[in-house]
Amino acid sequence: AQSVTQLGSHVSVSEGALVLLRCNYSSSVPPYLFWYVQYPNKGLQLLLKYTSAATLVKGINGFEAEFKKSETSFHLTKPSAHMSDAAEYFCAVRTGGGNKLTFGTGTQLKVEL
Amino acid sequence: GAGVSQSPSNKVTEKGKDVELRCDPISGHTALYWYRQSLGQGLEFLIYFQGNSAPDKSGLPSDRFSAERTGGSVSTLTIQRTQQEDSAVYLCASSSYLDEQYFGPGTRLTVT
Repeated sequence: AQSVTQLGSHVSVSEGALVLLRCNYSSSVPPYLFWYVQYPNKGLQLLLKYTSAATLVKGINGFEAEFKKSETSFHLTKPSAHMSDAAEYFCAVRTGGGNKLTFGTGTQLKVEL
Repeated sequence: GAGVSQSPSNKVTEKGKDVELRCDPISGHTALYWYRQSLGQGLEFLIYFQGNSAPDKSGLPSDRFSAERTGGSVSTLTIQRTQQEDSAVYLCASSSYLDEQYFGPGTRLTVT
């Protein structure tokens, strides 16, 4: 069964610093991977998705992620953090024969001045 | 255009009561999903409707949980005889077939 693991439930960075949120996947087939962001008391918003077309995926708000098969990773990065990036981030993998998602446990990103 | 909407936004109920949560998907989306987000369990898949196919109910935690989708559009998630462990945020999402999912704002259920 496909699954994802997010390392670090809380990450704190300074404004303007690099953001790196880690996600490793487990899948016996080529995975479809996603990063979602959740702002307080809001639903989930898709940041980006990997569907095997290109290993470097660019998303909204300056985020990107690189699919590395050798490391079974799909880490999320942003070169320069902004205060508005403070939120919870979820990595997810498409599971089973349909389109349902299995989520990681989430990483809360804090951005400090 | 309009996104996924859910109602109510908050629901407080007494243990043992039944509750119904509603989801209005994006018009034209053939797939609809329910997830649950709780402190102890994180984000969990509950049930998935795709077109006229039989729903994938593999994530429903007990037979107290059920869902239906009428006319291929609106969906209702029903929880019978609510328990305190049912307290969570219930998220609905919709998508075109195998496409990205768009999430609603959720319904926060509190069972007292």
